[in-house]
Amino acid sequence: AQKITQTQPGMFVQEKEAVTLDCTYDTSDQSYGLFWYKQPSSGEMIFLIYQGSYDEQNATEGRYSLNFQKARKSANLVISASQLGDSAMYFCAMREGTGNQFYFGTGTSLTVIP
Amino acid sequence: DTGVSQDPRHKITKRGQNVTFRCDPISEHNRLYWYRQTLGQGPEFLTYFQNEAQLEKSRLLSDRFSAERPKGSFSTLEIQRTEQGDSAMYLCASSTGYEQYFGPGTRLTVT
Repeated sequence: AQKITQTQPGMFVQEKEAVTLDCTYDTSDQSYGLFWYKQPSSGEMIFLIYQGSYDEQNATEGRYSLNFQKARKSANLVISASQLGDSAMYFCAMREGTGNQFYFGTGTSLTVIP
Repeated sequence: DTGVSQDPRHKITKRGQNVTFRCDPISEHNRLYWYRQTLGQGPEFLTYFQNEAQLEKSRLLSDRFSAERPKGSFSTLEIQRTEQGDSAMYLCASSTGYEQYFGPGTRLTVT
């Protein structure tokens, strides 16, 4: 089974609107970390936000927030007030327990329309 | 802080040749990761170093792949007897905690 599933290959959003990028994960560990990365066309992966499995509050970093629903095993990324510079690939990732291996999804391509 | 650097940025090689890539992590970062990314996919974990010790390797990693981090600073990834299926972007990342900082990658094309 896939550890990370991103079901939206491509998404479009109007500038200044909010958008939600979906991510579901599969693990039997109680302790794990969830991550979102942005990869612009230049290719460099940029860390956006982190959520620990024991964190009770949803993580927020500026315009990024992570909608963490543990029972549903989902970790959706919400981008508020979209900007043209947000157009990129977005990857959800997970690290299980104390392991060092990161599992990435297949990504969602986000296009912000002016 | 100059970020993670990788060299070369692009490499074209003929099938059967050996190639070596270098990664220079952020100086105080003790953790270093190598990933492979093919078109339309997310990064795939290859291996992990803590300081100079290689602590984890993907089971998918062929024995043609070897990585070193001799002094706990820079790392090299070598691919022996390259195959066309090795064509990909090879990414390096470093960290001290949970947040990984990625380099720009080395794009390998095997002809």
